[in-house]
Amino acid sequence: QQQVKQSPQSLIVQKGGISIINCAYENTAFDYFPWYQQFPGKGPALLIAIRPDVSEKKEGRFTISFNKSAKQFSLHIMDSQPGDSATYFCAASLTSGTYKYIFGTGTRLKVLA
Amino acid sequence: DAGVIQSPRHEVTEMGQEVTLRCKPISGHNSLFWYRQTMMRGLELLIYFNNNVPIDDSGMPEDRFSAKMPNASFSTLKIQPSEPRDSAVYFCASSLPGLTGELFFGEGSRLTVL
Repeated sequence: QQQVKQSPQSLIVQKGGISIINCAYENTAFDYFPWYQQFPGKGPALLIAIRPDVSEKKEGRFTISFNKSAKQFSLHIMDSQPGDSATYFCAASLTSGTYKYIFGTGTRLKVLA
Repeated sequence: DAGVIQSPRHEVTEMGQEVTLRCKPISGHNSLFWYRQTMMRGLELLIYFNNNVPIDDSGMPEDRFSAKMPNASFSTLKIQPSEPRDSAVYFCASSLPGLTGELFFGEGSRLTVL
């Protein structure tokens, strides 16, 4: 019930291409879905987040698509750049009380120049 | 502005030794989280504190692990005795009060237990 399943585990994309990472959750009580980006040797940092009252959120080249009925959400990186090469984690949380994130297992993205 | 500060950045120790990892959260943040990251299991929440009080330690693997937060600006994660399977990167993160929810992570402490 508390798991967040993330796929693929790794992804290689050509520069300019679209990177797509998918996540699925089980607990319908989750109401906050962030994506974190992690560069080697660094801690994860918030990239973009969505709440289930909207189906899509876009910030620059990054878009979250959210399907509440399917309990799935995905990250789309448009015009992928070599600087986007990092590990991406989806997460789910409850906003009542202190946020307790459940993270996916991560996707290692490599964008080829 | 200083972010979350963790020390040490790297620790190599032998099995059976005590390990203490330290964290200074961002000033004004009232929630603090300890995560463990491994290739196999990803990011696992070990314990989190709210206003210096441990709220949920259900992720602490076993009694060998303990965490304290004596004040709002300092927390420790202790492993005693350490085992090779404890080798991982340990992250501390803090967050603001309110509904923003953003976690600010430190750069992590990479622990290797031989």
